[in-house]
Amino acid sequence: NAGVTQTPKFRVLKTGQSMTLLCAQDMNHEYMYWYRQDPGMGLRLIHYSVGEGTTAKGEVPDGYNVSRLKKQNFLLGLESAAPSQTSVYFCASSYDLWGANVLTFGAGSRLTVL
Amino acid sequence: EDQVTQSPEALRLQEGESSSLNCSYTVSGLRGLFWYRQDPGKGPEFLFTLYSAGEEKEKERLKATLTKKESFLHITAPKPEDSATYLCAVRLLTGGGNKLTFGTGTQLKVEL
Repeated sequence: NAGVTQTPKFRVLKTGQSMTLLCAQDMNHEYMYWYRQDPGMGLRLIHYSVGEGTTAKGEVPDGYNVSRLKKQNFLLGLESAAPSQTSVYFCASSYDLWGANVLTFGAGSRLTVL
Repeated sequence: EDQVTQSPEALRLQEGESSSLNCSYTVSGLRGLFWYRQDPGKGPEFLFTLYSAGEEKEKERLKATLTKKESFLHITAPKPEDSATYLCAVRLLTGGGNKLTFGTGTQLKVEL
């Protein structure tokens, strides 16, 4: 089982460029999440989805957009990257909302914005 | 403000030297406390969920306990392969629904 797969693993952007991070899960989970992890700070929720075609804002949604066109995929977009968005991004999925059982995370995508 | 604080930030142990990691929280409406392990360059991996004070869970050399104000992750006779960052997270019920808040983690290094 692949679990949660994120692409790309690394990316360097210039300020103002756009990009999309892709998350794919093969566990038929209904719920998916995008987090960012920064030094000295806990994982912070950017956006999440409770099912195909639905998305919602998390704790730090500004500057990001998401889409869930297929149940297995959750895309995170940066329309105009800023240095403050330099971070490691993690996608996660769960059987139920907020993971009463388990949040399964991907390996992360490290983004640097110059 | 709801907070989750983990201590210490970093811990260095000798192989076989038991110790505990702490996760304290100042939240109301707790709906679960989670422990995750994170290896360098990887995503967090689920370890335990605790729901009520007095509850304990064990897995190999790890035992997690929960009180009304904090949780401990006890590591008995650790081995170098236990080296990782350990994250705790609390799930609470808010006016806007469930919210999951992560601590900043304890970086554990176990040396031979």
